[in-house]
Amino acid sequence: DAGVIQSPRHEVTEMGQEVTLRCKPISGHDYLFWYRQTMMRGLELLIYFNNNVPIDDSGMPEDRFSAKMPNASFSTLKIQPSEPRDSAVYFCASSIDSRAGYTFGSGTRLTVV
Amino acid sequence: AQSVTQPDIHITVSEGASLELRCNYSYGATPYLFWYVQSPGQGLQLLLKYFSGDTLVQGIKGFEAEFKRSQSSFNLRKPSVHWSDAAEYFCAVGKGGATNKLIFGTGTLLAVQP
Repeated sequence: DAGVIQSPRHEVTEMGQEVTLRCKPISGHDYLFWYRQTMMRGLELLIYFNNNVPIDDSGMPEDRFSAKMPNASFSTLKIQPSEPRDSAVYFCASSIDSRAGYTFGSGTRLTVV
Repeated sequence: AQSVTQPDIHITVSEGASLELRCNYSYGATPYLFWYVQSPGQGLQLLLKYFSGDTLVQGIKGFEAEFKRSQSSFNLRKPSVHWSDAAEYFCAVGKGGATNKLIFGTGTLLAVQP
């Protein structure tokens, strides 16, 4: 089991550019979560999916952020256009059910300059 | 609504000393409770969990936690800390069921001095 796989590990982009973060959850995990971690705000849940369907996107900061899960093995988080305040570590996590807890990926460190 | 509080932002202990990290939650029913650890540059790793049964739960790396309903607490303990335990620790609470949505605390950063 390779765990939750995120790519890229690091991304540096210029303000105004589009950024796409990718996540491959663990096979068989029906839940997928996107979190953002910053020093100021800690861990924030952005959105989560159950069986590829978005369930709660109330944490998505604004319309510049969008997330998709076209199939059970892949999800993307897109920021367009990116801004310096989007700089953070973005984590993807997957889960089989509420008793099991989450398995986190290693994160994508995004820097917007 | 659920919430979780980790009162200690930063704790320093000596290697070999015992450790207790505090976690308090707010939830009307029996919550699902978790402790995670995050090493620098890494994702969060599950240490242990509680949702029913024995209120003292054992986890990986020699950690344990005790659920105390009367105190709304789920404190993490380790009898003897190793230098490799230096990391950030997060408590999380969930409602369980199909929701499967966790609320994370703000974390406690543990430093271990020789």
